[in-house]
Amino acid sequence: QQQVRQSSQSLTVWEGETAILNCSYENSAFDYFPWYQQFPGEGPALLIAIRSVSDKKEDGRFTIFFNKREKNLSLHIKDSQPGDSATYFCAASYQGGRALIFGTGTTVSVSP
Amino acid sequence: EAGVTQSPRYAVLQEGQAVSFWCDPISGHDTLYWYQQPRDQGPQLLVYFRDEAVIDNSQLPSDRFSAVRPKGTNSTLKIQSAKQGDTATYLCASSFGLGAGEQYFGPGTRLTVL
Repeated sequence: QQQVRQSSQSLTVWEGETAILNCSYENSAFDYFPWYQQFPGEGPALLIAIRSVSDKKEDGRFTIFFNKREKNLSLHIKDSQPGDSATYFCAASYQGGRALIFGTGTTVSVSP
Repeated sequence: EAGVTQSPRYAVLQEGQAVSFWCDPISGHDTLYWYQQPRDQGPQLLVYFRDEAVIDNSQLPSDRFSAVRPKGTNSTLKIQSAKQGDTATYLCASSFGLGAGEQYFGPGTRLTVL
């Protein structure tokens, strides 16, 4: 049973567009949601994270929108650049538990 | 500040052989995690430690996998008799403090079992 789901396996956008990556989860106890960016041959790198008390978190060109009632969230990458081409993982955890549960990832390709 | 380091970066084995992976977490991080990442999938937790104590090893295939962190710093993950299904990247991560917090990953060891 997949506790964290990412709806798209891959996504292609043009340079300058906004890429939108969707994620949903099942466990209502989850309260911490990081997004990780992974390039081929490297480990995942923490990109941005949100806690369930917030509905939006912004960091530069990256924004998380969070809907606790619907148990879903999305990552928006504004003004996408070719260097943003990578695989993005949505993950979740909860207070008292420290291990992350990851989705299956969305591979983003940004075409110049 | 140095990040999480792992070695080796690559390993190729025949089925039945043993292999060990080594991880050095970020200095001062008390929690260390081992994840398995099959190709084209997200990382999946195997085991994690708080200092030298195992907190959760329920996902570790105990008949063939073992992990230790004897002094609460570096850690070793060992596969006794590798199977083709163990082919994956093995990632180490570390974090500090109580509760769900920021985890920082190393580059991983890519294992191929022939």
